[in-house]
Amino acid sequence: GAGVSQSPSNKVTEKGKDVELRCDPISGHTALYWYRQRLGQGLEFLIYFQGNSAPDKSGLPSDRFSAERTGESVSTLTIQRTQQEDSAVYLCASSPGQGFGYTFGSGTRLTVV
Amino acid sequence: QQQVKQSPQSLIVQKGGIPIINCAYENTAFDYFPWYQQFPGKGPALLIAIRPDVSEKKEGRFTISFNKSAKQFSLHIMDSQPGDSATYFCAASKSGNKLVFGAGTILRVKS
Repeated sequence: GAGVSQSPSNKVTEKGKDVELRCDPISGHTALYWYRQRLGQGLEFLIYFQGNSAPDKSGLPSDRFSAERTGESVSTLTIQRTQQEDSAVYLCASSPGQGFGYTFGSGTRLTVV
Repeated sequence: QQQVKQSPQSLIVQKGGIPIINCAYENTAFDYFPWYQQFPGKGPALLIAIRPDVSEKKEGRFTISFNKSAKQFSLHIMDSQPGDSATYFCAASKSGNKLVFGAGTILRVKS
């Protein structure tokens, strides 16, 4: 596609439920990143994929968070047993590889009630 | 540990003014310094980026000034317009690895 696509754009979930957030990167982009943006704050790194491997997952805040990427394309970020502090915008970005700028999607706004 | 410190938190300028946003970094291994612009409800978009072998880079009305010895870099927006009102983020990375972002600056350009 022309840009990075994320779905859903908005998600409201009850505390304790699991959620899956999807990212479709730009075709051919080998690098894919997930960031979290809390209200009024900067972007917090979560995980980086090169191809289908995740050489850096140092930003995942707890074992409730996991992510996978398949076919060097779509990535899914899963949050298990959601908590209210998980409420944020989750942003996905892709790039042609290391050393290039990112293209971000519009994000998924997650609200845990 | 916050590795990129950005200031000010918010900024209001008149149309035609030159807002300046500053960032300071700690890790001397950083070698890529981009600026991103974010409008409400959208993801950040790459504006301009610089590498440490140059002290200044201009693209249209946007200029990055880079001071390697001080470990600081700044964004200047010439002839600012109301349409420039957005949140601006500086960032830094080492050898193209993950970007570390500043906390952001909310810019408002008054008409």
